[in-house]
Amino acid sequence: AQRVTQPEKLLSVFKGAPVELKCNYSYSGSPELFWYVQYSRQRLQLLLRHISRESIKGFTADLNKGETSFHLKKPFAQEEDSAMYYCALVSGGSYIPTFGRGTSLIVHP
Amino acid sequence: DAMVIQNPRYQVTQFGKPVTLSCSQTLNHNVMYWYQQKSSQAPKLLFHYYDKDFNNEADTPDNFQSRRPNTSFCFLDIRSPGLGDAAMYLCATGAGTGGRTEAFFGQGTRLTVV
Repeated sequence: AQRVTQPEKLLSVFKGAPVELKCNYSYSGSPELFWYVQYSRQRLQLLLRHISRESIKGFTADLNKGETSFHLKKPFAQEEDSAMYYCALVSGGSYIPTFGRGTSLIVHP
Repeated sequence: DAMVIQNPRYQVTQFGKPVTLSCSQTLNHNVMYWYQQKSSQAPKLLFHYYDKDFNNEADTPDNFQSRRPNTSFCFLDIRSPGLGDAAMYLCATGAGTGGRTEAFFGQGTRLTVV
């Protein structure tokens, strides 16, 4: 069965510091990986997906199949980045996302 | 603005008293999901509909049922809520086809059981 692991429950940084939110997965096939974000009092929404290879709000994530990881990175954190971040996986041929437990990012001024 | 709407945002129910949570969508998506999320845990898929086809997760208790009377609406019924069923319930939709695998979420219903 597929599994998504986000080892950090909480990540606390100061504004301007680099950020890396970790995500590891277990799945034997070719997965599709996503990062979703939930800002305070808002709904869970897509931040980025690995197939798009895009940078959203300064965040990037690279799929590393060798390490089965999809870490989310931003070189300079901003206060408005404070939110819950969820890594999710969709297995090949499926459409159903499996989520990690989430990491709470707090960016201090 | 196309979206997924859950009602109510907060629901308090008595132990053992049936409760229904509702979800509607204006995205015309084929798939509607119900996830249960407890504090500091991953959202856990309870079941989903692909059009009218109901797909139950193997470990979803029988106490949880769902109805999808049409494309736009989906309901989660908890027949006899226990204290352990207190959680955030998330409804989501997805296209389910064409490689479009993004999920679109409602704001959730927080269920309290007293």
